[in-house]
Amino acid sequence: QVQLVESGGGLVKPGGSLRLSCAASGFSFSDYYMSWIRQAPGKGLEWVSDISSSGKTVYYADSVKGRFTISRDNAKNSLYLQMNSLRVEDTAVYYCARAPMVSAWFDPWGQGTLVTVSS
Amino acid sequence: SYVLTQPPSVSVAPGKTARITCGGNNFGSKSVHWYQQKPGQAPLLVIYYDSDRPSGIPERFSGSNSGNTATLTITRVEAGDEADYYCQVWDSNSDHRGYVFGTGTKVTVL
Repeated sequence: QVQLVESGGGLVKPGGSLRLSCAASGFSFSDYYMSWIRQAPGKGLEWVSDISSSGKTVYYADSVKGRFTISRDNAKNSLYLQMNSLRVEDTAVYYCARAPMVSAWFDPWGQGTLVTVSS
Repeated sequence: SYVLTQPPSVSVAPGKTARITCGGNNFGSKSVHWYQQKPGQAPLLVIYYDSDRPSGIPERFSGSNSGNTATLTITRVEAGDEADYYCQVWDSNSDHRGYVFGTGTKVTVL
C-alpha cells in the first residue's frame, strides 16, 4: 500500500540544524510532487515547501525561505528537508505528503516526525 | 497572503448533520480540499476538488463551494467523526505562491 514514513526529528538548540527524511513506498515516487507540511503543538497546519517530480522546481513558505532546503532522490524513493538556523518557532510535527500535481491536494500523509527547538 | 477562515468549533448530536464552513476571497475560482485529523494522527483527505470523495471515505461526507464560502457537510454524524477539520486551497498570484490551510474546526459529537 502507499506509505510515507518520516524520520530525523529530535531536539535541537536554536541556531542548529536537522535533516528530515521521508521514505516512500507503494507508488511510483518519481511521478509525484512532494511537500513538507508542519503543525506546531496545538496549532493548525502550515505548508512549508514542495518539490516537483523531477526535483528541478522547488518552492518555500516565506517563513522558512533561505533556511530550509527541500530535495529528493528518486532512485531511493526518498524526500528530504534540510533545516538550518532553526528557531524556537520551528518547533512542530513535520509531515511529508504526496500531491498528484502542483496546486492540488495532499494524499496520503506520513505519520509525522517531531522537531523541538529549545535551549 | 491568502486567508481561509473556519469556525473554531462545531457541536452536533449523533445522527444529525454537521456543516463546517471555510471562507476566503474569490473562492469561486479556487478548488477546495478538506482533511480530517483525529488526535495524535496525521491528516486524512476526505474531500478534494470541492466535492469529490476519495475511495474509502463514506458517502456521509460531502462538499460544496459557492461564492466566497466552501462547506463540508457530514450527515448522520457518528462518534468516530469527532476530529479537527481543515480546508485547503492553492494560492498563486504575482507575489505569492503556495498552499493555504484554513484555521481548523473542531467537531464535537455531543
